[in-house]
Amino acid sequence: DSGVTQTPKHLITATGQRVTLRCSPRSGDLSVYWYQQSLDQGLQFLIQYYNGEERAKGNILERFSAQQFPDLHSELNLSSLELGDSALYFCASSVGGSYQETQYFGPGTRLLVL
Amino acid sequence: AQKITQTQPGMFVQEKEAVTLDCTYDTSDPSYGLFWYKQPSSGEMIFLIYQGSYDQQNATEGRYSLNFQKARKSANLVISASQLGDSAMYFCAMSYPDRGSTLGRLYFGRGTQLTVWP
Repeated sequence: DSGVTQTPKHLITATGQRVTLRCSPRSGDLSVYWYQQSLDQGLQFLIQYYNGEERAKGNILERFSAQQFPDLHSELNLSSLELGDSALYFCASSVGGSYQETQYFGPGTRLLVL
Repeated sequence: AQKITQTQPGMFVQEKEAVTLDCTYDTSDPSYGLFWYKQPSSGEMIFLIYQGSYDQQNATEGRYSLNFQKARKSANLVISASQLGDSAMYFCAMSYPDRGSTLGRLYFGRGTQLTVWP
């Protein structure tokens, strides 16, 4: 158990819908990352937050948004869902967000868009 | 541009034998970190081992060691005394400072599926 929690574990929805994925980082970690894992794209970085502020953006679609709240939990919002958004979405956390720090991953949310 | 290359889509090893999973990386930044993660069929990502670019010694964690060859830009994972529970997908990843800050995201390779047979 990494100490990072993600809910829900599984999500099945229809095209055009909107969903929210939730992540709680390890106790003491200030930085949260979101990654997407799909068969064709592999593991891709989406976005990073540090202590409530967005710090880095990767290949995140405009239909996707995220935020980190004062209690440090984070939510990833996916809207106007398409079939291609079906993937495993991971949240990871680290203490300060440095490139030298280990990122600990949550169990992931498996999203299926039908 | 591909930053992490794992050339072995699949590897097979007999229980109790050692196995090496290959990883090469590409960066012009002198400061970077290299990581290996394990992903069992259940899907979670488990951190195994870390090597910093300035570390003089190869990293070791129990049965895992990282064969770091800086000049060749390779960071191979060696698993000694393989166990059936080692069967999983293994990902090599790199992180480096992002645009002058110390923040870093992970860039992952495509992974190597390791199968351990009895």
